[in-house]
Amino acid sequence: GAVVSQHPSWVICKSGTSVKIECRSLDFQATTMFWYRQFPKQSLMLMATSNEGSKATYEQGVEKDKFLINHASLTLSTLTVTSAHPEDSSFYICSARVGQGGYGYTFGSGTRLTVV
Amino acid sequence: GENVEQHPSTLSVQEGDSAVIKCTYSDSASNYFPWYKQELGKRPQLIIDIRSNVGEKKDQRIAVTLNKTAKHFSLHITETQPEDSAVYFCAARGWDAGKSTFGDGTTLTVKP
Repeated sequence: GAVVSQHPSWVICKSGTSVKIECRSLDFQATTMFWYRQFPKQSLMLMATSNEGSKATYEQGVEKDKFLINHASLTLSTLTVTSAHPEDSSFYICSARVGQGGYGYTFGSGTRLTVV
Repeated sequence: GENVEQHPSTLSVQEGDSAVIKCTYSDSASNYFPWYKQELGKRPQLIIDIRSNVGEKKDQRIAVTLNKTAKHFSLHITETQPEDSAVYFCAARGWDAGKSTFGDGTTLTVKP
């Protein structure tokens, strides 16, 4: 089946630094990648939708200059958390749409970000 | 936009009992409703889904029902087992639309 590889699985960084999270589609072309954020014991909140070769579409309330998304190829999308702060600590997870129409998504394994 | 409400937020059952989780949605254009199981620190796993042209779908111990008129759908788990313990999320979206709207999740605990 379709697999999305997400790295790193966890990262600890200092306040003010930037962190890059990668999602790669291993056996299919992901023209669209969705980036979610999940706080402990809460639901998945869509942050942005990235389409290969074009600018990402951000959800209301998500700072595009803080959460930089790049989808330069059909198999790679990245999320960079810039100037991270402790309140950015969360579980970030990507999800790719598989094919047309599509029975659901395939999710990456998630990245646990802790900002100290 | 779409709004999905999920109840209950927590559910505790005895092993072997049934569990039911309910969701309502607001956008009549939504026509695809997946259910996900998420274990702590792991990715959500699709366990069952239903399209709006179907009223019920069953897969072994898991079933989903959809009432399109009332805009609600439910997950039914029969003969629950301890390994069913997890957080379950419902979601709604258009079949050809990209983004899903997720419910807030239900923490299911199955006591041995």
